[in-house]
Amino acid sequence: DAGVIQSPRHEVTEMGQEVTLRCKPISGHDYLFWYRQTMMRGLELLIYFNNNVPIDDSGMPEDRFSAKMPNASFSTLKIQPSEPRDSAVYFCASSEQRYGYTFGSGTRLTVV
Amino acid sequence: SQQGEEDPQALSIQEGENATMNCSYKTSINNLQWYRQNSGRGLVHLILIRSNEREKHSGRLRVTLDTSKKSSSLLITASRAADTASYFCVAVQGGSEKLVFGKGTKLTVNP
Repeated sequence: DAGVIQSPRHEVTEMGQEVTLRCKPISGHDYLFWYRQTMMRGLELLIYFNNNVPIDDSGMPEDRFSAKMPNASFSTLKIQPSEPRDSAVYFCASSEQRYGYTFGSGTRLTVV
Repeated sequence: SQQGEEDPQALSIQEGENATMNCSYKTSINNLQWYRQNSGRGLVHLILIRSNEREKHSGRLRVTLDTSKKSSSLLITASRAADTASYFCVAVQGGSEKLVFGKGTKLTVNP
């Protein structure tokens, strides 16, 4: 298995632009999570899905952030419009039956 | 889950030495998990220990769990430069799938 695949690895965008981050979880995993990591705040859980259904989005910072999981093999995290304070590394993770998450390599987002 | 508090925040040792990191949590748990993060990479799941277990081994890793003290420790024996990373613990209560991460222990193994 190739693991959790995220794209792009790096994204540089201008303030105000829309950014879409993508994630392909491990086949058979029924949970998918989006995390954000910064030096100041550490790792923050943004949202997670179970069987493609959003379960808890209380960590999504504001309405500019949205996440979807149209099927078991794909999820997106969208920021519109982006702001410099959104600069961070965004991680996607998946797990089976809630134990032992597998993380992707992350997307490093820079908003200038 | 609840945030584990790792201690120390930073640890620097020589290659070949053992490294011990500690984790404390506040309420009863279903299991406790340890993760490693190399600089600029995603987290890697190292080991899961259930609340009815007291000790678990995986290669050079040894994890202990003391539910009476609400604490866990991760021991890395015969450390290598490649073990340089941040290590996080997560205490999982069960009934909640969210993993909440603390600030971790930053381990540096000097060659």
